[in-house]
Amino acid sequence: GESVGLHLPTLSVQEGDNSIINCAYSNSASDYFIWYKQESGKGPQFIIDIRSNMDKRQGQRVTVLLNKTVKHLSLQIAATQPGDSAVYFCAEKGAAGNKLTFGGGTRVLVKP
Amino acid sequence: GAVVSQHPSRVICKSGTSVKIECRSLDFQATTMFWYRQFPKQSLMLMATSNEGSKATYEQGVEKDKFLINHASLTLSTLTVTSAHPEDSSFYICSAYPRQGGPLRVQHFGDGTRLSIL
Repeated sequence: GESVGLHLPTLSVQEGDNSIINCAYSNSASDYFIWYKQESGKGPQFIIDIRSNMDKRQGQRVTVLLNKTVKHLSLQIAATQPGDSAVYFCAEKGAAGNKLTFGGGTRVLVKP
Repeated sequence: GAVVSQHPSRVICKSGTSVKIECRSLDFQATTMFWYRQFPKQSLMLMATSNEGSKATYEQGVEKDKFLINHASLTLSTLTVTSAHPEDSSFYICSAYPRQGGPLRVQHFGDGTRLSIL
């Protein structure tokens, strides 16, 4: 079936460096994508979203890029901080309904 | 804004017990609530979609008689794991999707319930 997947399960980053988390999706009908951050023992927290009619969106220290040609989504975190250590999930929403399909997750470890 | 409260945060009980988990949207009304299950180091798997005042829609492979969902109001949904067994041990997470005119219209998540069946 359709799925959303990630390339890297764990990413170690030096504090202050930029982080890039990648996500591949296979459902070409998906029209909305979200990045969530999940800290240990907690629920996912919304970071940033992007609609399929856009290819880039920026937030505070975060940027999401969408490449529909190759069905690829990425999250860039600028000047990564210790508080950014968490698991990051991409999620996609189809054209109908509000259900989300989550990717496998990437753990980001920030080294001091 | 957009706070979702889940209770209890942790449950440890004997096999055969039924366990009820509550999910409340504290500062907004939710048209839809979702229930997920998450195993260690894995992603979230959607179990069911719950709309206020109607029956829940379960994902393929999820037993509706095992996981009873009630969505009595626009701010409360409950998940009851009936006759729980060790294989039901997991992290259960709910989310709520706001009505039009409310906070950002994305799924807002609770902090989960860790269920451990002995």
